Amino acid sequence: KAGVTQTPRYLIKTRGQQVTLSCSPISGHRSVSWYQQTPGQGLQFLFEYFSETQRNKGNFPGRFSGRQFSNSRSEMNVSTLELGDSALYLCASSLVASGNTGELFFGEGSRLTVL
Amino acid sequence: AQKVTQAQTEISVVEKEDVTLDCVYETRDTTYYLFWYKQPPSGELVFLIRRNSFDEQNEISGRYSWNFQKSTSSFNFTITASQVVDSAVYFCALSEATGGFKTIFGAGTRLFVKA
Repeated sequence: KAGVTQTPRYLIKTRGQQVTLSCSPISGHRSVSWYQQTPGQGLQFLFEYFSETQRNKGNFPGRFSGRQFSNSRSEMNVSTLELGDSALYLCASSLVASGNTGELFFGEGSRLTVL
Repeated sequence: AQKVTQAQTEISVVEKEDVTLDCVYETRDTTYYLFWYKQPPSGELVFLIRRNSFDEQNEISGRYSWNFQKSTSSFNFTITASQVVDSAVYFCALSEATGGFKTIFGAGTRLFVKA
């Protein structure tokens, strides 16, 4: 069974640009969550999607957005990039349809460097 | 509000020593779920265990064991006879039943196991 796939794995952008990251969940998983991981802040929750609906959002500015498609694949977008956006962006999928009982299965992440 | 505290930033042990990773959580919910994840140097977070708030039984899986105590809001993780391959960052996480489909993570504990 294929795991969570994130693309691209590495990317370099300059300040002011925008970036789109993609995540394909494990087959059958309809919940997708996104996290930002940095050495200073650890794992910070960005948002969670289920059946194309955002069910929760973390404390990030509006420059961070996401969406989910009917096949459960998800994308996140960061506009007007800042140096502080440099991080490992992790996507995780979960099998649960409701509630918070499910463990998360993570992808390898997309490492974004903003110059 | 939900919060997870892992007070130990780094732990260094010699192979075959036992080591306990501490996790303290805060939540107002009576129904919640606790998790441990491992992030090896390769980077991909791996799920280790899930406990729900109604099940305080300790669990042992091979060299791993978990001690869940609601009275002290702790969910500690012990590795017995540590091995070099146990070297990783370990994260404790919490998800509330009414928390809006969000799992939050502690800051992580980096474990070094020396041969």
